[in-house]
Amino acid sequence: DAGVIQSPRHEVTEMGQEVTLRCKPISGHDYLFWYRQTMMRGLELLIYFNNNVPIDDSGMPEDRFSAKMPNASFSTLKIQPSEPRDSAVYFCASSLVDHYGYTFGSGTRLTVV
Amino acid sequence: TQLLEQSPQFLSIQEGENLTVYCNSSSVFSSLQWYRQEPGEGPVLLVTVVTGGEVKKLKRLTFQFGDARKDSSLHITAAQPGDTGLYLCAGVYGGSQGNLIFGKGTKLSVKP
Repeated sequence: DAGVIQSPRHEVTEMGQEVTLRCKPISGHDYLFWYRQTMMRGLELLIYFNNNVPIDDSGMPEDRFSAKMPNASFSTLKIQPSEPRDSAVYFCASSLVDHYGYTFGSGTRLTVV
Repeated sequence: TQLLEQSPQFLSIQEGENLTVYCNSSSVFSSLQWYRQEPGEGPVLLVTVVTGGEVKKLKRLTFQFGDARKDSSLHITAAQPGDTGLYLCAGVYGGSQGNLIFGKGTKLSVKP
């Protein structure tokens, strides 16, 4: 298995633009997580899905952030409009129901200028 | 609010030295995971501990879960430059897969 695939690896965009981050989880994993990592706050959970259904989105910063999982093999995290404070590394991770441990993707480094 | 505190925040040592990093909380966790993250990559799972008092070994790395399941430690024997990275602990609380809280990590640098 290729692991969790995220794209793009790097994204530089101007304030106010829409940004879409993409994730392909490991086949067969029932859970998908979106995290954001910054130096100040570390890894923060934004939202997670179980069997494609959003379970907890309490970590989503505000209405500018949205996430979807239209099927078991694809998820998107969208920021519209983007702001400089959204600059961070965004990680997607997946896991099995009964497996203690997440497999992370390599992340998307987002810079909003 | 559940919090995981890791110490030390930074650690710089010479190759061959031993070290211990700590992960502490006031909350009880149903399980605890340790990850290592290298620059430009996502965290990689090293181990999961579930039972209070549990000790697991992974080559030169020894992981221990506290008896009360509120704390954990990672001990590295004879550190090597390849051990350099950010070590993160993460605790699952409430028995729910999605309730995973990460500490901010210990940044380890092992100099040859």
